[in-house]
Amino acid sequence: DTGVSQDPRHKITKRGQNVTFRCDPISEHNRLYWYRQTLGQGPEFLTYFQNEAQLEKSRLLSDRFSAERPKGSFSTLEIQRTEQGDSAMYLCASSDPGQAPEQYFGPGTRLTVT
Amino acid sequence: GENVEQHPSTLSVQEGDSAVIKCTYSDSASNYFPWYKQELGKRPQLIIDIRSNVGEKKDQRIAVTLNKTAKHFSLHITETQPEDSAVYFCAARVDKLVFGAGTILRVKS
Repeated sequence: DTGVSQDPRHKITKRGQNVTFRCDPISEHNRLYWYRQTLGQGPEFLTYFQNEAQLEKSRLLSDRFSAERPKGSFSTLEIQRTEQGDSAMYLCASSDPGQAPEQYFGPGTRLTVT
Repeated sequence: GENVEQHPSTLSVQEGDSAVIKCTYSDSASNYFPWYKQELGKRPQLIIDIRSNVGEKKDQRIAVTLNKTAKHFSLHITETQPEDSAVYFCAARVDKLVFGAGTILRVKS
């Protein structure tokens, strides 16, 4: 499968725990985006990378959230001290804007904080 | 920053009829406008897109129009089928995508 992959697909955690999600983009894509989607809403931008550089972070990304893309390939999104309001679908997308602007989404990680 | 508004929030049509979803955007620097279809529990799937130097684009039963002056763009689905039932999102982009709130399309057979 050459599409965007995410792991895990589902995560249930207790409030206060830390969680980490992984995204593997399409291999030739140098841009990687993280979005959050809650029920009944469109995806909301969190942050994006150009290769290993994090170029923009949304105000939605509080100090408890951190994202990395150390080698310019896969990326991780960590949420520390999770809160019930963090429950959502976390979507990753990738693109190669030098070739085309299309962003392709992964299947998402559904986080439930109890 | 960019703001995208999408209407209607729900749309019910009879199979075979046309469906139109409209979006407006605020940032005149936005240069790319994709449409995504999302079925329940699945990832958003890109179905069609348009760039700011084009006014209209068609792909079989779907088409998108863009009016840069008015800052609005629309999705047109003709000859709707039950499998078109899903949530549709418009988006506008400078660097990142800003999405509309979505339209639930129901095609009744």
